[in-house]
Amino acid sequence: QVHLVESGGGVVQPGRSLRLSCAASGFSFSAYGMHWVRQAPGKGLEWVAVIWKDGDKEFYLDSVKGRFTISRDNSKNTVYLQMNSLRVEDTAVYYCAKSDSTGGSGSLIWGQGTLVIVSS
Amino acid sequence: DIVMTQSPDSLAVSLGERATINCKSSQSVFYSSSNKSYLAWYQQKPGQSPKLLIYWASMRESGVPDRFSGSGSGTDFTLTVSSLQAEDVAVYYCHQYFNTPLTFGGGTKVEIK
Repeated sequence: QVHLVESGGGVVQPGRSLRLSCAASGFSFSAYGMHWVRQAPGKGLEWVAVIWKDGDKEFYLDSVKGRFTISRDNSKNTVYLQMNSLRVEDTAVYYCAKSDSTGGSGSLIWGQGTLVIVSS
Repeated sequence: DIVMTQSPDSLAVSLGERATINCKSSQSVFYSSSNKSYLAWYQQKPGQSPKLLIYWASMRESGVPDRFSGSGSGTDFTLTVSSLQAEDVAVYYCHQYFNTPLTFGGGTKVEIK
C-alpha cells in the first residue's frame, strides 16, 4: 500500500527558504515519477513540479521556475522540494504524489500534505 | 497549457439520487498510440488529501465503490455517482496528465439536498 509522508512545512518570512521532504513506502520508489502539488487555503489544486524516476528530468510550474527545485534520493525513498525566495502567494498545503508512470504522465496517489505559510 | 473546465461548481443531490459532474479540456487528452485518455478524477473530503477515484477516464481505482463511474474521451468527460451516499459529500476534481504542466479542474462541491 502506497504511503507518503510529507514534512518540513512551517511559517517562513517572504524571501526566505524552506525544504520539504516526502518519505515513501509501500511501492518500488525508484520505478515511478514523483510530483509536488499545492493547494492554497480554500482553493483548488495546483501542480508544482515533477521528477522522473531516475531524476534525469524535471518540470516546473512557470511561477516557481528558478525558485523551486525538486530532487529525489532513491536510496532513501525520499523526494524533496527546495523552495527559495518564497512569496506570500506560495502559502499552501503542499502534497507529494506518486505518479502511475515513470515520469509525469500518470494518475496520482497523494500524501497527507504539509502546510507552508509565507508571512511577515 | 491545457485548461480544465468543470461544471457545475456545486450541486445538491438527494440521498440515493444520481450526481453528474462534467469536465471539458481545452484540447484533446487522448493519445492515439495508447488509445487512452489521460484523465483522472479525485475526491477530496474536508480536511483530507485528494483520493484517486478514476484513471484513464473510465478505470475505477481499486477499492472505489462501483457507484462511481467515469466516461468520455478526447475533450469531454463525466463523473457519475449513481446513488449518492452521505459519505460522498466532497469536492471532486478532474485532472489531465497528458502533458506538463499537469492541470486540474476548478472542483465541484457535492452536497446532500
